[in-house]
Amino acid sequence: RKEVEQDPGPFNVPEGATVAFNCTYSNSASQSFFWYRQDCRKEPKLLMSVYSSGNEDGRFTAQLNRASQYISLLIRDSKLSDSATYLCVVGLDNYGQNFVFGPGTRLSVLP
Amino acid sequence: GAVVSQHPSWVICKSGTSVKIECRSLDFQATTMFWYRQFPKQSLMLMATSNEGSKATYEQGVEKDKFLINHASLTLSTLTVTSAHPEDSSFYICSASASLEFFGPGTRLTVL
Repeated sequence: RKEVEQDPGPFNVPEGATVAFNCTYSNSASQSFFWYRQDCRKEPKLLMSVYSSGNEDGRFTAQLNRASQYISLLIRDSKLSDSATYLCVVGLDNYGQNFVFGPGTRLSVLP
Repeated sequence: GAVVSQHPSWVICKSGTSVKIECRSLDFQATTMFWYRQFPKQSLMLMATSNEGSKATYEQGVEKDKFLINHASLTLSTLTVTSAHPEDSSFYICSASASLEFFGPGTRLTVL
């Protein structure tokens, strides 16, 4: 079993739609959790950290369920500019290193 | 999904020594491999893009003579940190791409 798994995608959604990405991780000792966004042929950029209490940043909401070893990202009112690959990243420590990247889920928001 | 491995996963070395990190695509042929550097709680920084059989393309500010990249086959790229110093201590991640990009597990380098 891979350490970090994500929805295979791709997701093709119309503008304004709400889309949810799911991610599971296998190492119960994982300490930190993130969602990264990667545009085509660009380096991944940190989108948001994920906390146990859940956190929201504008149209983006991230949730963490440690018991189920599950992370989610919800995008509301999706925009064309949200089209990208979304990477679930799990850290084995709290220092932001020792990352394990998921395979990513491709999102295409269509006009 | 495809699998990309890195070796070693963690290396500790003395200042002034050189360290080689291997990146392998295990079940596909990667025409392009990327090397990133990770700073704590920050996004990845692309260091260089490597195409099999040709010289790597380095990003601005990355010293090509310090970070030697070899991409001799479609399944293997190596990054050699030459004359490593403590400020080179970081987490180095490679990725391999045919059409999609898959990330390796990273290598933590600690230079004493």
